[in-house]
Amino acid sequence: EAQVTQNPRYLITVTGKKLTVTCSQNMNHEYMSWYRQDPGLGLRQIYYSMNVEVTDKGDVPEGYKVSRKEKRNFPLILESPSPNQTSLYFCASSPMGGWVQPQHFGDGTRLSIL
Amino acid sequence: GQNIDQPTEMTATEGAIVQINCTYQTSGFNGLFWYQQHAGEAPTFLSYNVLDGLEEKGRFSSFLSRSKGYSYLLLKELQMKDSASYLCAPRGSNMLTFGGGTRLMVKP
Repeated sequence: EAQVTQNPRYLITVTGKKLTVTCSQNMNHEYMSWYRQDPGLGLRQIYYSMNVEVTDKGDVPEGYKVSRKEKRNFPLILESPSPNQTSLYFCASSPMGGWVQPQHFGDGTRLSIL
Repeated sequence: GQNIDQPTEMTATEGAIVQINCTYQTSGFNGLFWYQQHAGEAPTFLSYNVLDGLEEKGRFSSFLSRSKGYSYLLLKELQMKDSASYLCAPRGSNMLTFGGGTRLMVKP
């Protein structure tokens, strides 16, 4: 089954404790992206990757890191999480840059930073 | 940058027709997506417009006017399961930017 898999689905942690949210897709997609979704603000792009070893900042990259060492994986790293990073996070992928192909979204990761 | 405006909430009756509008200002416009998102779930793709005009897909249609920076999503024969948020997403040069979404409530 074609899918984008995020882990964990839910996480409650404390300020300053490094965490990683994994994202993996099995569709051989070139483009992958991370979004956060907050009430009233909609989906905002954090980082995206056009292909392996190519990553770029989105609208709200501060406090986040990503890497794209393999085509299928695109982890999101919070080196020193803070409460303002409490949010619902979505990973997405598409065949080519999200241009004409729709993005496939993972089920989301709800992070709470205390 | 991109600026997207769509109504925050709408209410409609089962069986009716509803139109959700989206206006946008974007640099390097390359098309516009509509996504549906049920509460607590991931967004799912509904439609994509790159040329002016109406694209019809079953009960859902989407319209685009590039010169006006305007799109709408038309939902016909509304069903209770259509209660969801509808996200307008114009595509720029390198990024897809989502509007805040329109929460549609369908009542019996």
